[in-house]
Amino acid sequence: GQQVMQIPQYQHVQEGEDFTTYCNSSTTLSNIQWYKQRPGGHPVFLIQLVKSGEVKKQKRLTFQFGEAKKNSSLHITATQTTDVGTYFCAPPQGAGSYQLTFGKGTKLSVIP
Amino acid sequence: NAGVTQTPKFQVLKTGQSMTLQCAQDMNHNSMYWYRQDPGMGLRLIYYSASEGTTDKGEVPNGYNVSRLNKREFSLRLESAAPSQTSVYFCASSRSGYTFGSGTRLTVV
Repeated sequence: GQQVMQIPQYQHVQEGEDFTTYCNSSTTLSNIQWYKQRPGGHPVFLIQLVKSGEVKKQKRLTFQFGEAKKNSSLHITATQTTDVGTYFCAPPQGAGSYQLTFGKGTKLSVIP
Repeated sequence: NAGVTQTPKFQVLKTGQSMTLQCAQDMNHNSMYWYRQDPGMGLRLIYYSASEGTTDKGEVPNGYNVSRLNKREFSLRLESAAPSQTSVYFCASSRSGYTFGSGTRLTVV
């Protein structure tokens, strides 16, 4: 199945700073999904990206899908304590597959 | 609008005991999944069911069995629990994006 590398593994930021996590694949992805998991909670679906070069925004969150569809990023502007959690990227396991392969995630800590 | 409901939320088993984790969804989704989450390992797929009546192995199926009882329910069974199965288990259902249950925190001693 698809393997993705997520970096960084951990990120500590001061409240108000920006944050970016990256997801890289060695193969072309048909699409990619992003999830957020709060401490002690369950993953929650944020967004799906499908098109090459796609950029989508959700308030302070900006999601990008690379032109070659081999990488993706999530950028948070002016972090808040409510942004704390682990962010996972998840492409499908293979072409036409509904099963997702989850990256190991980026754990974000926000220092108030 | 319950979404995905998992029971129990917590469980402690002794090595060799068996148990069944229950999962039910009310969103009329065809696909359902069982994942386990261990520190530093992310989420790993145990089994999935693309539709009622079908089940398939995921990345880490050994030691587990599943039953897709009907469209709503997908259960995960541990026949003889081992300490290596200590983990947090998540059930999910999907049409496109996954909806996860709140998880079962299982400890095998």
